[in-house]
Amino acid sequence: DTEVTQTPKHLVMGMTNKKSLKCEQHMGHRAMYWYKQKAKKPPELMFVYSYEKLSINESVPSRFSPECPNSSLLNLHLHALQPEDSALYLCASSQVTDYGYTFGSGTRLTVV
Amino acid sequence: SQKIEQNSEALNIQEGKTATLTCNYTNYSPAYLQWYRQDPGRGPVFLLLIRENEKEKRKERLKVTFDTTLKQSLFHITASQPADSATYLCARENSGNTPLVFGKGTRLSVIA
Repeated sequence: DTEVTQTPKHLVMGMTNKKSLKCEQHMGHRAMYWYKQKAKKPPELMFVYSYEKLSINESVPSRFSPECPNSSLLNLHLHALQPEDSALYLCASSQVTDYGYTFGSGTRLTVV
Repeated sequence: SQKIEQNSEALNIQEGKTATLTCNYTNYSPAYLQWYRQDPGRGPVFLLLIRENEKEKRKERLKVTFDTTLKQSLFHITASQPADSATYLCARENSGNTPLVFGKGTRLSVIA
């Protein structure tokens, strides 16, 4: 299996909702990432997990809460989001250093 | 600040010609650079990684060069096809466990 699977593909949520994005890989990669991408912009790093521990948080607001239950799964819990948080959320995984990243297809999030 | 720049936002090229995309970096020396392809609404797809001690890397119709004197990487697609139309992202990562930072991307259109 050489894929990163993200669910759901699309999500519409209200500003008071709580939802979660899920990401799964079975390539044995020990680094996993969340990126956020707005239209016509490059992906921007949000969080990095290395060996299931949070190693980087790029000053992301607390309404985004990451979780890594095991080496194959990565979640992003969402609560009280704002309309400006609407974007494509990308999960990626890699060997820890010196390798290309494998990205999922993303979750298109719309906050209304 | 450490920057990675793709100065061309868009590039149009005739089918069959060689497309050349440029990535420049300033204020640091990356251990390696990576190139990705991204189609609309999809996650980036890893294409090639080139290390600072490598001058050139090839994969089928793709070629990447790394010039540490010019602080520049060039990405070439030979015999370009309309199916090559996409956004191409350059990304930098220093040695060690630092995550990818992306350039703004170049949108390539190959015209039949």
